[in-house]
Amino acid sequence: KAGVTQTPRYLIKTRGQQVTLSCSPISGHRSVSWYQQTPGQGLQFLFEYFSETQRNKGNFPGRFSGRQFSNSRSEMNVSTLELGDSALYLCASSASGGGEQFFGPGTRLTVL
Amino acid sequence: KNEVEQSPQNLTAQEGEFITINCSYSVGISALHWLQQHPGGGIVSLFMLSSGKKKHGRLIATINIQEKHSSLHITASHPRDSAVYICAVSNYGGSQGNLIFGKGTKLSVKP
Repeated sequence: KAGVTQTPRYLIKTRGQQVTLSCSPISGHRSVSWYQQTPGQGLQFLFEYFSETQRNKGNFPGRFSGRQFSNSRSEMNVSTLELGDSALYLCASSASGGGEQFFGPGTRLTVL
Repeated sequence: KNEVEQSPQNLTAQEGEFITINCSYSVGISALHWLQQHPGGGIVSLFMLSSGKKKHGRLIATINIQEKHSSLHITASHPRDSAVYICAVSNYGGSQGNLIFGKGTKLSVKP
C-alpha cells in the first residue's frame, strides 16, 4: 500500500497570503489528523476529520481550517499568514482514528 | 505543566549500550504512542499500547497505567537509532485522532 502523501513538500509565502496544503491518506483509511510542529511549541494537534466531518479541533485561531473529501483526501487552509505560522505541517491517517497513526512526510511552510 | 513529560531531553550513548527513555502523563488515556522522527521531519510510529509490554526487534515499550508512566528501551543501540523519540497519548474520552505530544528525546548514538 502506498503511504500517506502530502503536497507540496516545501512552500514559501509572504505575510498576509493564504495557503492550502493537501494530504492523501493510506487507501482505506477514513481518519485524517493534522499537526503543526515548531521548534518552540513542538507538535500540536490542529484538527481531525473522519468521513468528511471534523471530529475535533485543537487550540488554533479560525485562520486555520480544513476539510475532507469523499475519497478521504484532506486539505488544510491557513489564511492571512503570519510569521509564526512557519512550521512543519504533518498529516496522519488511521483506519478509524483510534488505531495506529501513519504520518506523511510533512509540508514545510516558510512565511516571510 | 505539560500533560506529557519525557526524560531525558537529550541522550548520547555509545554503540551497543542499552537505552531507556521515559514518559509520564497526567491525563486519562486510551492509548500511548511512541514515535520516531529522523532529521528531515518524517515520523514513524513505533508502538501503540494501552497496557503491558510490546517488543519489535531491538525496541521494547512498556506502560504502567496505574503509575501513568511508559518507557521505551533500545537494546544494543546502533548509530542508525539516532533520532528524536516522541511520546504521545490519545486522550481518554476525546477524539482518538487527537494526540498530545511530549517534547521529544533527542538520541545520538556514537560509533
